[in-house]
Amino acid sequence: SQTIHQWPATLVQPVGSPLSLECTVEGTSNPNLYWYRQAAGRGLQLLFYSVGIGQISSEVPQNLSASRPQDRQFILSSKKLLLSDSGFYLCAAGGRITEAFFGQGTRLTVV
Amino acid sequence: DQQVKQNSPSLSVQEGRISILNCDYTNSMFDYFLWYKKYPAEGPTFLISISSIKDKNEDGRFTVFLNKSAKHLSLHIVPSQPGDSAVYFCAARGEGGGADGLTFGKGTHLIIQP
Repeated sequence: SQTIHQWPATLVQPVGSPLSLECTVEGTSNPNLYWYRQAAGRGLQLLFYSVGIGQISSEVPQNLSASRPQDRQFILSSKKLLLSDSGFYLCAAGGRITEAFFGQGTRLTVV
Repeated sequence: DQQVKQNSPSLSVQEGRISILNCDYTNSMFDYFLWYKKYPAEGPTFLISISSIKDKNEDGRFTVFLNKSAKHLSLHIVPSQPGDSAVYFCAARGEGGGADGLTFGKGTHLIIQP
């Protein structure tokens, strides 16, 4: 079965600082990978998805970027965080005929 | 424009009774629907799903019903148990989700009262 590892679990960062959240996947190869964000009072918003190494698609314009340097590694980054970047970030892996599996999430607070 | 809507932010149900969580969608291209359960500070876990070619799928205490003409689906939990207290997200897959990504509703917080 798939296992999604995300770290760190919580993060407090000042406005203007950089961000790097890492996600690794075990138990599957060539997964589709996703970054979602859950902001306060909102549902889960798809930020980025990747169907392979080096292939990144963005769903919404934002202050964030994503990279996939290895098949089972997905990184969410920012050069300068904004207050509005605060939220609960979730990495997920899935395919066309299977449900998506989620990591435990990272609670990011920008102060 | 929200394509998947869960209009009830919260729902309180007595233990042992039936919990019914509702979800509406607007995109007729969605072909697969899922329910996820989420505890605080944890990632969502998959609960049950249904393909658009079916109108019902059952798994133990959980049943999902799909009414395509009304673009409506519901999750029934019976009997409700204290451990069912969580936020439940309805999700849909198809063109609205983008390359296999899921489109989620805002969630319904289910509270099971003893």
